Amino acid sequence: GAGVSQSPRYKVAKRGQDVALRCDPISGHVSLFWYQQALGQGPEFLTYFQNEAQLDKSGLPSDRFFAERPEGSVSTLKIQRTQQEDSAVYLCASSLGWGRTASGNTIYFGEGSWLTVV
Amino acid sequence: AQKITQTQPGMFVQEKEAVTLDCTYDTSDPSYGLFWYKQPSSGEMIFLIYQGSYDQQNATEGRYSLNFQKARKSANLVISASQLGDSAMYFCAMREGDGPARQLTFGSGTQLTVLP
Repeated sequence: GAGVSQSPRYKVAKRGQDVALRCDPISGHVSLFWYQQALGQGPEFLTYFQNEAQLDKSGLPSDRFFAERPEGSVSTLKIQRTQQEDSAVYLCASSLGWGRTASGNTIYFGEGSWLTVV
Repeated sequence: AQKITQTQPGMFVQEKEAVTLDCTYDTSDPSYGLFWYKQPSSGEMIFLIYQGSYDQQNATEGRYSLNFQKARKSANLVISASQLGDSAMYFCAMREGDGPARQLTFGSGTQLTVLP
């Protein structure tokens, strides 16, 4: 598609439930990022993929969070045993990832998956 | 230390007027990129404008321009001829280094309201 696509857009989960959030990046984009955005805050980095390789997962808040991108395109962010503090918007983003130009560096975001844990 | 600082939690501007949203940054890396994103209430982060640390000219994109002052480490966004649809949250962000694995670091945002 033309942009980054995320699903579901909205998810309400009961505390303790597992959730899976899907991201379809822009076609041909090598780099894929997941961010977490709490209400009223700027996005915070979670993890980064270059093709299928997860090169940085330093932002994942706990071992309940797991991300994969097995074929280097679609990615899934999984949260196990959700807690109320996991309530946030989860943003997926992608970029070509190369060079110093705007087109190489610009990171494009999806609309986000709004997770509410009750 | 904060890498990106946006000191204006909220700003108001009259329709058709220009407005400047402030952003200062902190990095020791000589190669970096600065970005502005718009986030309406729908939640999508919309890319507005990019400025590379080696770019000689200030970036412009339509009604958006970036006032890049490298020595002062500031990258203010100027929106000319404000429109009601410009009302949104605006984030300044930085990407350090040249490699592909560089994520964005965001500021806390400025909520812009355009008044009719």
